[in-house]
Amino acid sequence: GAGVSQSPRYKVAKRGQDVALRCDPISGHVSLFWYQQALGQGPEFLTYFQNEAQLDKSGLPSDRFFAERPEGSVSTLKIQRTQQEDSAVYLCASSSDRGRRNEQFFGPGTRLTVL
Amino acid sequence: KNEVEQSPQNLTAQEGEFITINCSYSVGISALHWLQQHPGGGIVSLFMLSSGKKKHGRLIATINIQEKHSSLHITASHPRDSAVYICAVRYISSGSARQLTFGSGTQLTVLP
Repeated sequence: GAGVSQSPRYKVAKRGQDVALRCDPISGHVSLFWYQQALGQGPEFLTYFQNEAQLDKSGLPSDRFFAERPEGSVSTLKIQRTQQEDSAVYLCASSSDRGRRNEQFFGPGTRLTVL
Repeated sequence: KNEVEQSPQNLTAQEGEFITINCSYSVGISALHWLQQHPGGGIVSLFMLSSGKKKHGRLIATINIQEKHSSLHITASHPRDSAVYICAVRYISSGSARQLTFGSGTQLTVLP
């Protein structure tokens, strides 16, 4: 595809439900990032993949958050037993890591609302 | 906790005005990004800078590495420029990780 896509765009969950958010990066992009953006705030780093390897998960707020990228392309961010404080926009970004550019391209985000 | 500071947080301007948004950061960086976010969440990269100045249409971005400061300027502002503008940096200390650290954004409203 032409850009990074994410699905669903909007998700409403009841507290305690599990959710799965999907990211399709730009084809061939090696690096993939997940960010969490609370209302009125800038995004904050969650986790980073280089191909299928999760090289940094230091930003995941709790062990209820889990991310995977098994084949080095599509990634899924899973949140178990959702809480109200998980309500946020979840952004995915990818980059090619060619040369020195390392520019990140962002998806449209998934807005998660936990009731 | 946020190591990237933006100012102002909110900015209202009349159409045609010259706009400046500022960003400062704390330690050495390998790159600084200016991003635009419209309602609905999608983020568009406007500039990526490591030194000097870049211009694209009515947008100009500058960076002063010694002062750890960057500015985004919009000339002849228009209501369609209304959006949140976010500064983000990649710190040199990030090592193998390449994540960005973001400012909290500047909400710009341009009135007709």
